[in-house]
Formats: sequence, structure tokens, C-alpha cells
Amino acid sequence: NAGVMQNPRHLVRRRGQEARLRCSPMKGHSHVYWYRQLPEEGLKFMVYLQKENIIDESGMPKERFSAEFPKEGPSILRIQQVVRGDSAAYFCASSAPRTSVNEQFFGPGTRLTVL
Amino acid sequence: QKEVEQNSGPLSVPEGAIASLNCTYSDRGSQSFFWYRQYSGKSPELIMSIYSNGDKEDGRFTAQLNKASQYVSLLIRDSQPSDSATYLCAVKDFGNEKLTFGTGTRLTIIP
Repeated sequence: NAGVMQNPRHLVRRRGQEARLRCSPMKGHSHVYWYRQLPEEGLKFMVYLQKENIIDESGMPKERFSAEFPKEGPSILRIQQVVRGDSAAYFCASSAPRTSVNEQFFGPGTRLTVL
Repeated sequence: QKEVEQNSGPLSVPEGAIASLNCTYSDRGSQSFFWYRQYSGKSPELIMSIYSNGDKEDGRFTAQLNKASQYVSLLIRDSQPSDSATYLCAVKDFGNEKLTFGTGTRLTIIP
């Protein structure tokens, strides 16, 4: 399967724990984006990464959230000390190196539930 | 604040009819436009992208872009029950790779 892969698909954490969400882009894609979808709300951009670089983190909350895309391995979105308001679907998308249109393809998402 | 506006619906269309979905955006610097389909509990699936004024057709789907009026639309011909989903409009600005999404229009095709 050459699509965007995310794991885990479902994640349950208690308040104060850490959540780690992983994303492997489509084959041939080197740009990764993280979006969050709160219940009954639209998708909101969080961060855009290329290998070993954070390009745009304008949508990331100032505290507790971080993202990385190492030279080897998947991109990781890390949420420290989770709170109930972090419960949402987190989607990763990927795109090919710069194209005129920049079509982004989404993974299946990780649904985070904070108890 | 850049905005992408969609009628939340629900929009009900008889099977076999044309479904018309509309989206307006506030930033004239917007460059590329995308329509995604999202089934309940699933991830967004890219249907169409468009960046030039006019129409772009792909099978039963036609995207229409009018930059002067700042709107983009999606037409679905010969609507099928399987087209029932939420349709998300997304916009990308020049020099900026992130997508700004509307809240989506829920479409129901009535058999």
C-alpha cells in the first residue's frame, strides 16, 4: 500500500499523559502536514514539515505540542500532558516535492480520546 | 483572518440529479483550490484540484473557478447514493503550502 500511513488509528490517554502520533508519507512524497479535526468542526492546519525541518508551524498550539520529521522514520506529532480538549481526529497528509498545485493526500487519521 | 465559507447543508439531491456545491474565499491571493470528500468517520479524499479560471472536468465531477468573484464550485452529475458525504473546500495561497478548509457541506443523495 503506497498511501499515507498513520498509527495508531485509535489512541486513548488519560489526562496528563503523552500522546505520540506517527505518520509515514506516500512513497515519493517528502512533505508532511498535520491537521486536526475537532468534533463537528473543520480541518485546521497545524504544521508543515520536510525531512529534518519544520517549515511552517503557525497552526501549532504554543505549548505541549511538537512535531518532527527525522531523516529516517516517520513524522511524529507529540502531545504532552494531554487534556480533554485535545480529543480529536489528527490527520497527516503528504505531497510530492514542490509542484504547481501541491495536491495533498490524507492518511486514515488517528482518533485521540482523552479520558 | 482568511476564510473559506461553505453552506453547511444538509443538501438533499435526488438520485440521478446534479448536485451543486459552492465555496467562497476571502483572500484574493489564493492560488489553488481543492475539493475533498469525507465520509463519516473517515479521512478526506481528494476529488479535484483547480487553479485556473474556468471549468475542469473529471468523470462525473466538474470543478468551476471564478477568481474575480472569489468562488469555486463542484458539480456532481448523475448523483449516486454513494456520493452522500461531506464535501470540503480547501484553498492554498501563493507561497504558502498549508490548506485552509471550509467547514464542509453535507450532501445526501436520495434514492
